[in-house]
Amino acid sequence: AQKITQTQPGMFVQEKEAVTLDCTYDTSDQSYGLFWYKQPSSGEMIFLIYQGSYDEQNATEGRYSLNFQKARKSANLVISASQLGDSAMYFCAMRELTGNQFYFGTGTSLTVIP
Amino acid sequence: NAGVMQNPRHLVRRRGQEARLRCSPMKGHSHVYWYRQLPEEGLKFMVYLQKENIIDESGMPKERFSAEFPKEGPSILRIQQVVRGDSAAYFCASSPGDGSFWPQHFGDGTRLSIL
Repeated sequence: AQKITQTQPGMFVQEKEAVTLDCTYDTSDQSYGLFWYKQPSSGEMIFLIYQGSYDEQNATEGRYSLNFQKARKSANLVISASQLGDSAMYFCAMRELTGNQFYFGTGTSLTVIP
Repeated sequence: NAGVMQNPRHLVRRRGQEARLRCSPMKGHSHVYWYRQLPEEGLKFMVYLQKENIIDESGMPKERFSAEFPKEGPSILRIQQVVRGDSAAYFCASSPGDGSFWPQHFGDGTRLSIL
């Protein structure tokens, strides 16, 4: 089974609108961390936000927030007030406490329309 | 990009040659991870190293690929006798420790092209 599933290959959003990028995960561990990374067309991987499995509050970092629904095993990224510079690939990732690696989803390509 | 340095940024090799990819972790980080990204795909874990030790190489192909992180100097991912299927972006990431959920900080990647 896929550890991380991102079901939206591509998304479009109007500038200044909010957008939600979906991510579901699969783990039997009780302790794990969830991460979102942004990959612009230049190719680098930029860390955006982190949510721990025991965190009761949803993580927020500026215009980014993570909608964490533990029972549903979902960790959606919400970008508020989209900007043209937000156009990029977005990857959801997970690390289990018992493991060494990050598991990545296949990514969502976000295009912000002026 | 928070200091993880990878070089070269682009590397072109002919089939059968060797490719060496280098990664210097962020200052203060002693844990290095290598990932491979094929076109249109997410990153796939290859290997996790600490200084002078390979901790987890479960994602490494059994042949032609090797990695090291010597006491001095950068981590090296080495691909011998490259084939067309090795064309990909190779990312290195580092973290200060593996006991909790430090975000892994990535380098800009090396784009390997095999002619």
